[in-house]
Amino acid sequence: GENVEQHPSTLSVQEGDSAVIKCTYSDSASNYFPWYKQELGKRPQLIIDIRSNVGEKKDQRIAVTLNKTAKHFSLHITETQPEDSAVYFCAVTLAGGTSYGKLTFGQGTILTVHP
Amino acid sequence: EAQVTQNPRYLITVTGKKLTVTCSQNMNHEYMSWYRQDPGLGLRQIYYSMNVEVTDKGDVPEGYKVSRKEKRNFPLILESPSPNQTSLYFCATEDSLSYEQYFGPGTRLTVT
Repeated sequence: GENVEQHPSTLSVQEGDSAVIKCTYSDSASNYFPWYKQELGKRPQLIIDIRSNVGEKKDQRIAVTLNKTAKHFSLHITETQPEDSAVYFCAVTLAGGTSYGKLTFGQGTILTVHP
Repeated sequence: EAQVTQNPRYLITVTGKKLTVTCSQNMNHEYMSWYRQDPGLGLRQIYYSMNVEVTDKGDVPEGYKVSRKEKRNFPLILESPSPNQTSLYFCATEDSLSYEQYFGPGTRLTVT
């Protein structure tokens, strides 16, 4: 089955700095790569996603890049703010294929943004 | 309001006492799943369901059962809970067009 590795497990930055979280995956057939943010005591929520036919996607201060050849994708947060402090999860799946519904998450990264 | 609900939100129980965690959605999504969240391990999929009466194992199905008799409900059953099933459990639905997962509020289960 799919194996997803997420690094780092914890990340501490100063407000205004950039943060980068990286995930690697094992199944080259995977084609959908979402990122979820989980604030303390709350449920995970989708913040950005990318599909395999795209190399980069941006939404204001967050961006995701995908390298299908190397089988890794990264979340980039620029101009970090204290409200960005949360746990971030990457995920991988083969959307629309025979394994429809089989979503594999990374281990999570605890991001702390210091004012 | 589109939502996924879970009950109970908190549960403390003893080893071997059967329990059910309910999950209900009003978004008419076909796909639903259950995850458990443990520190350092992320979210691990327990079971998922593509539609009524169609379920399949995720990565950690041992010790759990599910059923999908109605589209809106997807209960998680622990026939004989053990302490290693102490965890935070999330139910989720998926939008089949966007693939976005919509999570319930979570159920914190402690098995003593």
